[in-house]
Amino acid sequence: SQQGEEDPQALSIQEGENATMNCSYKTSINNLQWYRQNSGRGLVHLILIRSNEREKHSGRLRVTLDTSKKSSSLLITASRAADTASYFCATVFSGNTPLVFGKGTRLSVIA
Amino acid sequence: EAQVTQNPRYLITVTGKKLTVTCSQNMNHEYMSWYRQDPGLGLRQIYYSMNVEATDKGDVPEGYKVSRKEKRNFPLILESPSPNQTSLYFCASSLYRGIAEAFFGQGTRLTVV
Repeated sequence: SQQGEEDPQALSIQEGENATMNCSYKTSINNLQWYRQNSGRGLVHLILIRSNEREKHSGRLRVTLDTSKKSSSLLITASRAADTASYFCATVFSGNTPLVFGKGTRLSVIA
Repeated sequence: EAQVTQNPRYLITVTGKKLTVTCSQNMNHEYMSWYRQDPGLGLRQIYYSMNVEATDKGDVPEGYKVSRKEKRNFPLILESPSPNQTSLYFCASSLYRGIAEAFFGQGTRLTVV
């Protein structure tokens, strides 16, 4: 399956700083979703952005989508220790295809 | 509370001993799926179900079975587990495949010795 690829694989920042994670993919998509996973636990949905959208916000989260570059970014502003987790992008290639997950970015926020 | 419930959370078993991991959702979702998560490989889909009595293979179905007799339940069956099935397993459900957010269970950590 075609996977999205997150970059960087790991990121370590100080509390209060912003964290930016990127996701690149290879083919046209219907939508792209971001999920968070705390260590060894289930994934939690953060944001879904459709192919005709360029930016979405949810609290301290901002997601952008550039379909011409086939890439998305997730920005977490004013990070907190509780944001420490792995973040995954998942792409959906057409309206009736499954989520295809990347391998994730591991974010560590140091208090 | 909307949730996907998996059981058990942890399981250690021996090679060849049949086991079932249960999954239940209370959101009346049509679409359910199973993933396994392995270091360096990310999440890979094992099986999915579009609705009752409609199941299909994902990317890594070998060694697994599923059934969907009721909308809320989607058990994962390992008829003869092997050590290469040691993994972290997740059940997920969503209103529709792909175009809606997915809700994940808390995971089942399976060790096959």
